[in-house]
Amino acid sequence: QSVLTQPPSVSGAPGQRVTISCTGSSSNIGAGYDVHWYQQLPGTAPKLLIYGNSNRPSGVPDRFSGSKSGTSASLAITGLQAEDEADYYCQSYDSSLSGPSVVFGGGTKLTVL
Amino acid sequence: QLQLQESGPGLVKPSETLSLTCTVSGGSISSSSYYWGWIRQPPGKGLEWIGSIYYSGSTYYNPSLKSRVTISVDTSKNQFSLKLSSVTAADTAVYYCARHRRTEGMDVWGQGTTVTVSS
Repeated sequence: QSVLTQPPSVSGAPGQRVTISCTGSSSNIGAGYDVHWYQQLPGTAPKLLIYGNSNRPSGVPDRFSGSKSGTSASLAITGLQAEDEADYYCQSYDSSLSGPSVVFGGGTKLTVL
Repeated sequence: QLQLQESGPGLVKPSETLSLTCTVSGGSISSSSYYWGWIRQPPGKGLEWIGSIYYSGSTYYNPSLKSRVTISVDTSKNQFSLKLSSVTAADTAVYYCARHRRTEGMDVWGQGTTVTVSS
């Protein structure tokens, strides 16, 4: 069971907009830690998609956007394309006695219909 | 451009120690304020953080794995390593190394290496 909760799957038709939620708690997202998002295409390593809640690394299309509020964060994808079909993971940090721990969401499989 | 490459045995026997190395090229592992981490992904499942080492040498481990994990760095070889002891079939996974910062995410990943625990 992951510390951060994501829906197992979402789907949308080409051109549509989809959102993926990432729900945490007061010890991670709610504590002010940044949320990052990754895209993992089949058989490949994860790729950083959004960092610092809402920032896109160079080369990531502006169809991808992120936001954070309270103990949750969201990834939005507009103008859905077939190539967006992948697994998406949110990541943050969680307070612990031994120092912050990296935590991931369980992942969301995006299907482009 | 910074690149990471995992290496190590692809098959480990139950109860033995899994050992992997991540070689950093195109930059220095001693770069200020970066963490160097290990993440794994069991077949068909999600990502699990194993632990990270800070550029200063401080280590941080997943509490659920802490008793079995050791991460170390060899700055002379620009490498960092993972040791996971007393492995079982549940440790079968693709193991990734990655560079990260708290506010910037894991921006560089290795391609991953598959480790199978089996006799």
